[in-house]
Amino acid sequence: GDQVEQSPSALSLHEGTGSALRCNFTTTMRAVQWFQQNSRGSLINLFYLASGTKENGRLKSTFNSKESYSTLHIRDAQLEDSGTYFCAAEPSSFSKLVFGQGTSLSVVP
Amino acid sequence: EAAVTQSPRNKVAVTGGKVTLSCNQTNNHNNMYWYRQDTGHGLRLIHYSYGAGSTEKGDIPDGYKASRPSQENFSLILELATPSQTSVYFCASGGGGVDTQYFGPGTRLLVL
Repeated sequence: GDQVEQSPSALSLHEGTGSALRCNFTTTMRAVQWFQQNSRGSLINLFYLASGTKENGRLKSTFNSKESYSTLHIRDAQLEDSGTYFCAAEPSSFSKLVFGQGTSLSVVP
Repeated sequence: EAAVTQSPRNKVAVTGGKVTLSCNQTNNHNNMYWYRQDTGHGLRLIHYSYGAGSTEKGDIPDGYKASRPSQENFSLILELATPSQTSVYFCASGGGGVDTQYFGPGTRLLVL
């Protein structure tokens, strides 16, 4: 079936540093969403991309459908960025989301 | 910002009992979805709907039914709840086509 492979599974960053999260897709996907799940369990929409790159503050995301991957870059990490980040991709067939396993991000002082 | 609400937010049920989880969206979105989230599995699609009166099976539909009586409301029904259905359930809505999905706050279900 459709699969989304997300890496790393866990990440620790010091405040002010940055890193990248990545999702690889095993089938053709027409769009990708990125979410942050906060400590209360709520899923916060970060990005929706059908192609290209979007940027919002300290976050930037890229989706390359031909090469079957998407990335989420976090720069100047802050304590409130801690949480679990999920990518979710839409197969070309219809409007459902297939989720990755998530990246647990911990930002420490 | 799209608004999706779920009720109840927390539920304790007994094995063999019937459980109904409700979802309401005020965005006039055509599509609605039910997912469950378990540790180590991310979110997985249970049922979805393209509009009032329609329900479709997702990736893990066994043991669940769904009902879409109106554009705004989408319910998930566990006729005979089992402990394996203990999970966090999320409802989402989307406009269909290439469009963002918006998620509700989740319902924590514990089946004893």
